[in-house]
Amino acid sequence: QVQLVESGGGVVQPGGSLRLSCEASGFTFSAYGMHWFRQAPGKGLEWVAFVQSGSSYTNYADIVRGRFIISRDDSKNTLYLQMNSLRPEDTAIYYCAKDCALGGMRDYWGQGTPVSVSS
Amino acid sequence: DIVVTQSPDSLAVSLGERATISCTSSRSLLYRSNNKNYLAWYQQKPGQPPKLLIYWASTRESGVPERFSGSGSGTDFTLTISSLQPEDVAVYYCQQYYTSLRTFGQGTKVEIK
Repeated sequence: QVQLVESGGGVVQPGGSLRLSCEASGFTFSAYGMHWFRQAPGKGLEWVAFVQSGSSYTNYADIVRGRFIISRDDSKNTLYLQMNSLRPEDTAIYYCAKDCALGGMRDYWGQGTPVSVSS
Repeated sequence: DIVVTQSPDSLAVSLGERATISCTSSRSLLYRSNNKNYLAWYQQKPGQPPKLLIYWASTRESGVPERFSGSGSGTDFTLTISSLQPEDVAVYYCQQYYTSLRTFGQGTKVEIK
């Protein structure tokens, strides 16, 4: 079955950087697009970034564009989110998800990793 | 971007009564190639990740109780809990997955009256 395990979260100072990882199993990782989502404390769910299979296309939420970079290593079945110039408002639980392309059934989500941006 | 609007923001229902949440999309979510609507419903309890309840607007995820049902097509959708149980207290989100830029409704908090 599909399994997604996020790691790399932690506490970082404003202006700092952090790299999140998402290890995938149970499906052919290279064949699927992947997402990052997040949820700030007490807030709703928010899409952050997407990478197409083969890394041919990426897209970002406006609020993170230019600061975050989504990437993937298909040889390691791993998705990444490089987060730079972090702000307190980036504090959230970050979730990775397997994309359901049109024609498919549903997305699959991981359990999340917490990120806190604080001095 | 597709805007997804959910209502109400909160809902208090007596045990055993029906709860209904609405979700409206700014664009049709119907994919004509397979005649499926790319709208999902998630349930989230405090301290837990979101749990998928419904996909394709009306298909119940495996293991989800039958009291949860989804309906609608195109731009207007509904999640119904036919007989509210104590364990249903949670926040519910609709999400469009028609485009790679996923968007969510703002969430509906369901409580016991």
